[in-house]
Amino acid sequence: GENVEQHPSTLSVQEGDSAVIKCTYSDSASNYFPWYKQELGKRPQLIIDIRSNVGEKKDQRIAVTLNKTAKHFSLHITETQPEDSAVYFCAASRNTPLVFGKGTRLSVIA
Amino acid sequence: SAVISQKPSRDICQRGTSLTIQCQVDSQVTMMFWYRQQPGQSLTLIATANQGSEATYESGFVIDKFPISRPNLTFSTLTVSNMSPEDSSIYLCSVAGDSEETQYFGPGTRLLVL
Repeated sequence: GENVEQHPSTLSVQEGDSAVIKCTYSDSASNYFPWYKQELGKRPQLIIDIRSNVGEKKDQRIAVTLNKTAKHFSLHITETQPEDSAVYFCAASRNTPLVFGKGTRLSVIA
Repeated sequence: SAVISQKPSRDICQRGTSLTIQCQVDSQVTMMFWYRQQPGQSLTLIATANQGSEATYESGFVIDKFPISRPNLTFSTLTVSNMSPEDSSIYLCSVAGDSEETQYFGPGTRLLVL
C-alpha cells in the first residue's frame, strides 16, 4: 500500500520568511496530493491540493509542487505570518482513501 | 464544501464501556470515513463507511471493536467498544467532496478513557 514520508517534523521560521515542507510517496499510481492545516484543538482543514497532471499550483502565499518522477511533493509558504503556525499534513491517494504523512509542526516567530 | 457535525464533541468514559459517535452531514455524500488521531500524531484511517453495506476496515481495526453504521447518505456512527485507556484519542469523520478524492473533516470527538 501507499506510504507517505514527511519532513521536517518541526520547523521554526521568522515571520516574513518562507517555509518549505516536503513529502515523498511510494505508490507511483497515486494521483492526488492534498495538504491540510490543523490548528490546535481544531479539525484538519484542506488548504491546497494538486493532481498528478499538474506540476505546480499556487494560491496566494501558498504553493505546492509535484515531481512525479521522483515521487515527491512540497508545500511552500511565503511571507509567513504568526497565524500560519499549525501542524501541516500532506497526503496521497489513488482513488480513495487518503494516506497521511506524520505531520510538520510549523512555528512562525514574530 | 459540506457542513459536518459530530456528537459528542468530547466525553470521558470508564474502561469496559462503549461510546457511539455520530457524524451528520448537511448533504448527501457517497463516501464517509472514520479516522483516529492519537495525541500529537497523524490521522489513521479506521474504516470506510459504505451506505447499504458493511464498512471496509483497515489493517489493525476490526468490526467487533469499532462497529460502524451507515443507514443513509447523510449519517454514520462509529462505536468504540469495550474501551481501554489506549482508546483515548480524537475520532474524526470525513466525507468525500464533489470530486470524490477530496476529503473534508468533521470537528472531531475527543475521548478520554479512565
